[in-house]
Amino acid sequence: AQKITQTQPGMFVQEKEAVTLDCTYDTSDPSYGLFWYKQPSSGEMIFLIYQGSYDQQNATEGRYSLNFQKARKSANLVISASQLGDSAMYFCAMRAEGNNRLAFGKGNQVVVIP
Amino acid sequence: NAGVMQNPRHLVRRRGQEARLRCSPMKGHSHVYWYRQLPEEGLKFMVYLQKENIIDESGMPKERFSAEFPKEGPSILRIQQVVRGDSAAYFCASSLTGKNTEAFFGQGTRLTVV
Repeated sequence: AQKITQTQPGMFVQEKEAVTLDCTYDTSDPSYGLFWYKQPSSGEMIFLIYQGSYDQQNATEGRYSLNFQKARKSANLVISASQLGDSAMYFCAMRAEGNNRLAFGKGNQVVVIP
Repeated sequence: NAGVMQNPRHLVRRRGQEARLRCSPMKGHSHVYWYRQLPEEGLKFMVYLQKENIIDESGMPKERFSAEFPKEGPSILRIQQVVRGDSAAYFCASSLTGKNTEAFFGQGTRLTVV
């Protein structure tokens, strides 16, 4: 079974600054994928970034980058140059190879202030 | 190409009534996943279907809940005799292949049981 842990309390971030959201995971599967999703107050789930467990480089997508430390089983999301529209809940998730379900953490609340 | 469409967006049911949640996957997608999000929680996997077949229902409650994905028409998540604890957001995701890597989420149906 996979387990995702997100324990940070809600965060206030100054506009234009960077913010790091922590995510640790636990799995016995050798091959897996890690995901981050954004859920704004309107409720939809928006895919942000994906990291495969065998990927040699950390994933990046625009202002989003994933700090993947396999030995520590962590997959922290870094949002650079925060914008007001980044205010949302952020969920870390993982999927083991050969398994079609995503396991989600409880989320991190981010509020960007001007 | 329209995204994953869920309806209704909001549904209110009295205890004991039936709730029917619909999900139309993205065009060409034959794999559908249902997740439930309780307040202040991440999403929890419920069921994975491929046209006319239930592939994995390990996350579905044993009673009152059922899901189908007929050859024609949307996928339906059906909850019979709803109770207050069923109040949650229900998300549908679809993918072209049987891998969650490419799964796209709908906007969710928020069920409130009164």
